[in-house]
Amino acid sequence: EDQVTQSPEALRLQEGESSSLNCSYTVSGLRGLFWYRQDPGKGPEFLFTLYSAGEEKEKERLKATLTKKESFLHITAPKPEDSATYLCAVRAKGGGADGLTFGKGTHLIIQP
Amino acid sequence: DSGVTQTPKHLITATGQRVTLRCSPRSGDLSVYWYQQSLDQGLQFLIQYYNGEERAKGNILERFSAQQFPDLHSELNLSSLELGDSALYFCASRDSAGGGYTFGSGTRLTVV
Repeated sequence: EDQVTQSPEALRLQEGESSSLNCSYTVSGLRGLFWYRQDPGKGPEFLFTLYSAGEEKEKERLKATLTKKESFLHITAPKPEDSATYLCAVRAKGGGADGLTFGKGTHLIIQP
Repeated sequence: DSGVTQTPKHLITATGQRVTLRCSPRSGDLSVYWYQQSLDQGLQFLIQYYNGEERAKGNILERFSAQQFPDLHSELNLSSLELGDSALYFCASRDSAGGGYTFGSGTRLTVV
C-alpha cells in the first residue's frame, strides 16, 4: 500500500527564517511526486511535480527536491503570505488508476 | 479560478438524507477524481472517471456513488448520510496528456 508521511505536522517561523518540510514516501513504483499548497477552506493549489531522484524545481521562494525515499520543500526567506498547509502526494505505477495518495500536510505559519 | 467548478459550495443536511455534489472539469480534461477531506484523515481518494467510464475506486463507501456524463461533468451521490460524512469534498481534473491535477474549490458538507 502506498504511504506518504509528512513532517513536521506544524511549523512556526519568523519572517525571513528559512526552513524545510519533509515528505517520506513508500510506493510500488513512483510515477510522480506532487506538492500542493492549501489555504483554509480552499482547494489544493498545484506547486510542483517531480518524477525522478535528483530532480529539483523552483518557484519564487520555494524549491522542491526528490530522492528515492523522500522529498523536501525548501522555503527561503518566507513571508507571511507563505502561511498555508503544504501537501505532498504520490502517483504510483500499476493498473489503470492514477489517483493521488496524499500525506496529512504540514501547517506552516510565518509570523511578521 | 482553477477552471474546475464545484457546486454547491456549502451544504447542510440531516442524517439519513441523500445529496448530490456536482463537478465540471477544466475544458478538455477527460479525467475526473473525487476526494474527501476530513480533519483527521486528510485528503482521501474516492473514485476516478475517465471519459464517462469508472476507472478506479479508492476509499469510497458503498453508500456513495458517482457518474460522469457525456458532457464530462461528474456527480457524486452520497446517501444514508451519517454525522461522520461531514467533510470537504473536492473534485479534480487532469488532461489527457497526463499533466497536473487541478482541484476545484470544494463542497463543504455538514450533516446534522
